[in-house]
Amino acid sequence: GENVEQHPSTLSVQEGDSAVIKCTYSDSASNYFPWYKQELGKRPQLIIDIRSNVGEKKDQRIAVTLNKTAKHFSLHITETQPEDSAVYFCAASTGWGKFQFGAGTQVVVTP
Amino acid sequence: GAGVSQSPSNKVTEKGKDVELRCDPISGHTALYWYRQSLGQGLEFLIYFQGNSAPDKSGLPSDRFSAERTGGSVSTLTIQRTQQEDSAVYLCASSSDRGPYEQYFGPGTRLTVT
Repeated sequence: GENVEQHPSTLSVQEGDSAVIKCTYSDSASNYFPWYKQELGKRPQLIIDIRSNVGEKKDQRIAVTLNKTAKHFSLHITETQPEDSAVYFCAASTGWGKFQFGAGTQVVVTP
Repeated sequence: GAGVSQSPSNKVTEKGKDVELRCDPISGHTALYWYRQSLGQGLEFLIYFQGNSAPDKSGLPSDRFSAERTGGSVSTLTIQRTQQEDSAVYLCASSSDRGPYEQYFGPGTRLTVT
């Protein structure tokens, strides 16, 4: 089955700096890669996703890159703000069936 | 429109008792997922329902766990003879099979087994 590894487990950044979270997956059939943000005590919410037919997608300060050959994808947050502090989860799926989530990255943005 | 709802929001039960957790997915969503999230941990897949197909139960940790989905809508996760290690937040999510496969999560049920 699919296995998703996520690094780092914690990430501290100064406000205004960039944050990068990396995930690797094992199933070459996976073709959908979402990123979820979970604030303390709240439900996970989708912030960006990418499909296997594109290599990069950007939405304002957030971008995701995908390298299908190497089976890894990354989340990039630029100009970080205190409200970016949360746990971020990557996931991989074939689009049908179960999603395999990474273990999560605790991001702390310090003013 | 209404999002995914779950009930109860909190459940405290004694070790050995059975519990039922309910999930109401977004109307029209054919896919429904259950996850378990222990404190400070990631999302552990439990079970997945897709339309009328047989559910994918590969994530259920033991035979004390079971789930049903009636009429292709509401789902109930049942934990029999609860143990302290079952304490966690149980999250339900639903998605449309028309894509783009985004999962919409419910608020979760916090289960505490004493």
